[in-house]
Amino acid sequence: GAGVSQSPRYKVAKRGQDVALRCDPISGHVSLFWYQQALGQGPEFLTYFQNEAQLDKSGLPSDRFFAERPEGSVSTLKIQRTQQEDSAVYLCASNEGPAYNEQFFGPGTRLTVL
Amino acid sequence: SQQGEEDPQALSIQEGENATMNCSYKTSINNLQWYRQNSGRGLVHLILIRSNEREKHSGRLRVTLDTSKKSSSLLITASRAADTASYFCATDRGYGQNFVFGPGTRLSVLP
Repeated sequence: GAGVSQSPRYKVAKRGQDVALRCDPISGHVSLFWYQQALGQGPEFLTYFQNEAQLDKSGLPSDRFFAERPEGSVSTLKIQRTQQEDSAVYLCASNEGPAYNEQFFGPGTRLTVL
Repeated sequence: SQQGEEDPQALSIQEGENATMNCSYKTSINNLQWYRQNSGRGLVHLILIRSNEREKHSGRLRVTLDTSKKSSSLLITASRAADTASYFCATDRGYGQNFVFGPGTRLSVLP
C-alpha cells in the first residue's frame, strides 16, 4: 500500500504568516508522530498521537505550534505567526501502534520562513 | 535536546570498505534503532536492537549494543555507493513512544 505522504513538499512563508502542514499516515496506523529537522541535524520530536488522542506534545517549541488528528487518520501541524527559526523540514511518521517500534516516515515538508 | 550522539559526524570511504558509526546516549533505554536518510528524503528504518540484546545482524549490517557504556555501533560491510546517506540512531524508553534521535553520521562511499 501507499506510504506516508506529506503536503506540501515545500512551503515558503513570510514571517508572521500562519502555515498548515498535512500528513497522511499509512492506512490503519494507530500512532502518528511529528518531528522537526534542522539542516544537518537529527529529527527532534514534536508530538505524538495515538488515534485521535494527542498523548505527548512535550516537544512543541512554543504555543505557536499546534497539531491535531481529529479522526485518527490525517494530521495537521499548524504554525502560527511563523518566525525565521521555524525554518526546517517537518517530518511525519506513523506505525501500527505503541507495541511497534519501527516508524515509517514521510518525505517531509521543507518550510522556509523569509 | 538530543539524547543520542553519533560519531563520527562525517565519514568518507571507498567502495568495498567497511563503515563503522557509533552512537552514545545518556539515559536508560528500552530499544535502540538505526535509520538511514538519503538527501531530501524521509528516514528509513534499518534495524532495531533491544536493551537485552548485544548484537544483531541484517544483511550487510551489524549492530552492537553495550548498555553499560550506553553506546551502540553500526557496521556496514562491503559498502556500496548506494550506501551514501546520513545514518541516525534513535532511542526510546518503551511504551511512551518518545523517540530521541542523534545528530547523525554523514557517510560518503566513493566509487
